[in-house]
Amino acid sequence: NAGVTQTPKFQVLKTGQSMTLQCAQDMNHEYMSWYRQDPGMGLRLIHYSVGAGITDQGEVPNGYNVSRSTTEDFPLRLLSAAPSQTSVYFCASTWNPDSYPYEQYFGPGTRLTVT
Amino acid sequence: SQQGEEDPQALSIQEGENATMNCSYKTSINNLQWYRQNSGRGLVHLILIRSNEREKHSGRLRVTLDTSKKSSSLLITASRAADTASYFCATVRDYDMRFGAGTRLTVKP
Repeated sequence: NAGVTQTPKFQVLKTGQSMTLQCAQDMNHEYMSWYRQDPGMGLRLIHYSVGAGITDQGEVPNGYNVSRSTTEDFPLRLLSAAPSQTSVYFCASTWNPDSYPYEQYFGPGTRLTVT
Repeated sequence: SQQGEEDPQALSIQEGENATMNCSYKTSINNLQWYRQNSGRGLVHLILIRSNEREKHSGRLRVTLDTSKKSSSLLITASRAADTASYFCATVRDYDMRFGAGTRLTVKP
């Protein structure tokens, strides 16, 4: 299993540009989530999904969109990048949402800089 | 806002010593988890303790949970240089997982 994969690893955007961060998992996990991590802080939940076709907002959803058309993929879209979105973004996944979230498996992260 | 708050923010010990990190939180939870993050990498799950449990062990890790005080502690015994990392607690309520800011542990050889 590849686990949770994220692309790209690094990205530089100009203010106002849009882009999509990709996340995929091959473990047949129902639950997937996106976090951002800023220096000296823990992870903050952006959006999560408990299954294909179902998404919900987390703690800091503004400026981000998600969709979940398949179990495997959970892309995160930045609509109009702002310097405040400079961060490291982590995607995570885990199994059945009924007793969840259980232990999450994290991707390696995408380091995004917005100038 | 972040749910868990770790204490201390940074901890430096010698190899072989024990390391204790604490986590306090504000609301009721389903479970509490501890994760480790090596510099520049993703988080790795260490241990989970459910709200009806008081203590869990896994290898050199011992986690306690006191729901009346809304606090948890992670003890790493006989630390090694390879344990140098940031450690985060995460509180889980329904589908929402919230992380604290972490404790940066440095283990000197």
